[in-house]
Amino acid sequence: QKEVEQNSGPLSVPEGAIASLNCTYSDRVSQSFFWYRQYSGKSPELIMSIYSNGDKEDGRFTAQLNKASQYVSLLIRDSQPSDSATYLCAVNLMFSGGYNKLIFGAGTRLAVHP
Amino acid sequence: KAGVTQTPRYLIKTRGQQVTLSCSPISGHRSVSWYQQTPGQGLQFLFEYFSETQRNKGNFPGRFSGRQFSNSRSEMNVSTLELGDSALYLCASSASVVRAGNTIYFGEGSWLTVV
Repeated sequence: QKEVEQNSGPLSVPEGAIASLNCTYSDRVSQSFFWYRQYSGKSPELIMSIYSNGDKEDGRFTAQLNKASQYVSLLIRDSQPSDSATYLCAVNLMFSGGYNKLIFGAGTRLAVHP
Repeated sequence: KAGVTQTPRYLIKTRGQQVTLSCSPISGHRSVSWYQQTPGQGLQFLFEYFSETQRNKGNFPGRFSGRQFSNSRSEMNVSTLELGDSALYLCASSASVVRAGNTIYFGEGSWLTVV
């Protein structure tokens, strides 16, 4: 079983709709969860981080975390064509001594069409 | 505040050669991680350095190595290049304090093509 799993997509949504991106992870002790956006040919850009169960909102983005179900999601409201990109879910595994290993899912391609 | 800087941005090497990539982390960040990204494998963790020590290593052959200097700058080296090493190599830095919430920031990456 992969440590971080995402549906590869593409997820196609009309402009103005809500895009829902999902991610599951296998390590129960994971504490930090991130969503990165990556445009073609560019490096990943941090969009959201979430550490506690529940929802975290930042503008049009909402991250949702459910540690019991080992599930994290990203909602994009009022989707715009500029949101078309690959969205990477990342789970930060913390080791004793304070260092990290960030494990990425394969990413979900989002296409927002006018 | 300057971001993560990687050099060179693009390079072409011949199979069998070796390559060194450089990364300067965000000022004040002491942890540097390296990732390889290919279309088929996605983002794969290579290794992480903190205070000049490798703390974590991914599942890559010994041809892949790295180091970190006292100013937190890091280099990674790939020896005896193979065609499959063609990829985007990403460096990421974080403050690496012992708490939840270490945010990792990526550089723009080094595009390596092996011919």
